Amino acid sequence: SQQGEEDPQALSIQEGENATMNCSYKTSINNLQWYRQNSGRGLVHLILIRSNEREKHSGRLRVTLDTSKKSSSLLITASRAADTASYFCATGGSHSGNTPLVFGKGTRLSVIA
Amino acid sequence: GAVVSQHPSWVICKSGTSVKIECRSLDFQATTMFWYRQFPKQSLMLMATSNEGSKATYEQGVEKDKFLINHASLTLSTLTVTSAHPEDSSFYICSARPSTGPHYQPQHFGDGTRLSIL
Repeated sequence: SQQGEEDPQALSIQEGENATMNCSYKTSINNLQWYRQNSGRGLVHLILIRSNEREKHSGRLRVTLDTSKKSSSLLITASRAADTASYFCATGGSHSGNTPLVFGKGTRLSVIA
Repeated sequence: GAVVSQHPSWVICKSGTSVKIECRSLDFQATTMFWYRQFPKQSLMLMATSNEGSKATYEQGVEKDKFLINHASLTLSTLTVTSAHPEDSSFYICSARPSTGPHYQPQHFGDGTRLSIL
């Protein structure tokens, strides 16, 4: 079953614009992660935010987490054509690593040069 | 950084064939690995949790006799799709993370295997 719901499902923007993707989840979490998937490839970890954190930055990425609303957002600033990919939020990973991630439906981002 | 290697990346075979997919953690040990399945333009759906030295745990609706999982060492898990049929055609992805180290570690994913059954 899927924990998260991302919106929008698809997003098309011009290079240089910012892209914002949202994720909602249903149960309590220890952390929330964002992954990127290029077409036909595996997933690449982007950023992990713990449940006691509200905001985290990594390069052009900014992630927020609102546990009261059970939601998170991923902002990509100054987008590039190379950012074109699908982006997934994921919850459920345990400290021990023996609990699987549960993924949202994903947002397909297209950045037009 | 941690790397997970998945092989083969692409398989085309006839209906009725059994196909084995390997998932290796190249520079770390993992007592647990995960197998996911992904249909076009959809998200990843967990198929099973692979446990080193013990039986895999399958998700509801996933046939254990159809999708055989073996996790014989701390760096290798295999998924065998037995007697594959066209409806088994999909993108299969594995993931793992180090069994030791910091608490908050991400899962590392293989590059996936695209299985096409004719």
